[in-house]
Amino acid sequence: GQNIDQPTEMTATEGAIVQINCTYQTSGFNGLFWYQQHAGEAPTFLSYNVLDGLEEKGRFSSFLSRSKGYSYLLLKELQMKDSASYLCAVLDSNYQLIWGAGTKLIIKP
Amino acid sequence: GAVVSQHPSWVICKSGTSVKIECRSLDFQATTMFWYRQFPKQSLMLMATSNEGSKATYEQGVEKDKFLINHASLTLSTLTVTSAHPEDSSFYICSARLAENEQFFGPGTRLTVL
Repeated sequence: GQNIDQPTEMTATEGAIVQINCTYQTSGFNGLFWYQQHAGEAPTFLSYNVLDGLEEKGRFSSFLSRSKGYSYLLLKELQMKDSASYLCAVLDSNYQLIWGAGTKLIIKP
Repeated sequence: GAVVSQHPSWVICKSGTSVKIECRSLDFQATTMFWYRQFPKQSLMLMATSNEGSKATYEQGVEKDKFLINHASLTLSTLTVTSAHPEDSSFYICSARLAENEQFFGPGTRLTVL
């Protein structure tokens, strides 16, 4: 079956760095997405990785290792507004998005 | 990025009534749209894939006669929750596919069935 694992919840301090991991086992792979979702709102796109390596976009970076079925989202200089759920999703061989359960990130002052 | 709208943003209805939710891609044409449901503190759950001009493909466990999907044009898909019950109360989110690796989400519709 298809499976995506990410931690349920993480806590970090304002101004610090946090890494949210995602491991996946899917039928085929056409890329991995990270989305941010604030409570009561729809997800918003953060990043897309299809090749191995690190993609940096401002305070957020995303890493992918296809051979290990592993990705992480790195958030630097954390701000209170970064408190949200972070969803990992993989595009499988049918170009269907397979979703992780999300990681709730709590930022403390 | 591309914009997807949903209407209404929230709706409260009585049990047994039907509710229609619209999903529109505002600045691009989408041959494929997706409908998701999300219960509190849970992840998105794909309900169905809506293809323009053809029947929707429903995920296992989703009743096609209860959740009617119509994708009549390249910019509009509708989800009708028929004979709604309190257990159908949820956050319904649509997304529209611009390209294979580009999918944009609508703002969601919160449905409360009394």
